[in-house]
Amino acid sequence: NAGVTQTPKFQVLKTGQSMTLQCAQDMNHEYMSWYRQDPGMGLRLIHYSVGAGITDQGEVPNGYNVSRSTTEDFPLRLLSAAPSQTSVYFCASSYSVGQGRDEQYFGPGTRLTVT
Amino acid sequence: AQKITQTQPGMFVQEKEAVTLDCTYDTSDPSYGLFWYKQPSSGEMIFLIYQGSYDQQNATEGRYSLNFQKARKSANLVISASQLGDSAMYFCAMSTGNTPLVFGKGTRLSVIA
Repeated sequence: NAGVTQTPKFQVLKTGQSMTLQCAQDMNHEYMSWYRQDPGMGLRLIHYSVGAGITDQGEVPNGYNVSRSTTEDFPLRLLSAAPSQTSVYFCASSYSVGQGRDEQYFGPGTRLTVT
Repeated sequence: AQKITQTQPGMFVQEKEAVTLDCTYDTSDPSYGLFWYKQPSSGEMIFLIYQGSYDQQNATEGRYSLNFQKARKSANLVISASQLGDSAMYFCAMSTGNTPLVFGKGTRLSVIA
């Protein structure tokens, strides 16, 4: 199993550009999430999905869009990049949430810089 | 709303000593899970230990144990016999209901030789 994969590893964008961060998992997990990590802020939830076709907002959803057309993939779209979106982005997946020891498996992260 | 508080931005510990990293949580849901993750300087998130709200005993995983005090809403991580490789950021996190993990801001642990 490859686990959770994310592409790209690094990206530099100019303000106003759009892009998609890719996330895929091969563990047949229903739950997938996107977090951003900023210094001193821990990980904050952007969007999550409890299954194909179902998504919901997390703590910091503004400026981001998601869709879940398959169980395996959960792309994160930046609609019009802003310097405030400079961060490290983690994708995670799990079989379930809130129902016992079902830890989230994290991808390696994407380091995004917006200039 | 769920909230995780980690009050120690940074901690130092001597090699081979034990260290406790503090975590308090807030939720009105009686069913929840508490997790600790380690993030070394390489950046990956490594799962360490889990405690369920209905678990009667404190969780242990090798050198890691969780001091779970439900009435005080605390879930402190204890690392015994610290090693240089334990130097990292440590995050406490909680899951409830149907939502993914909520994380604390983390504690940076430095192990001194």
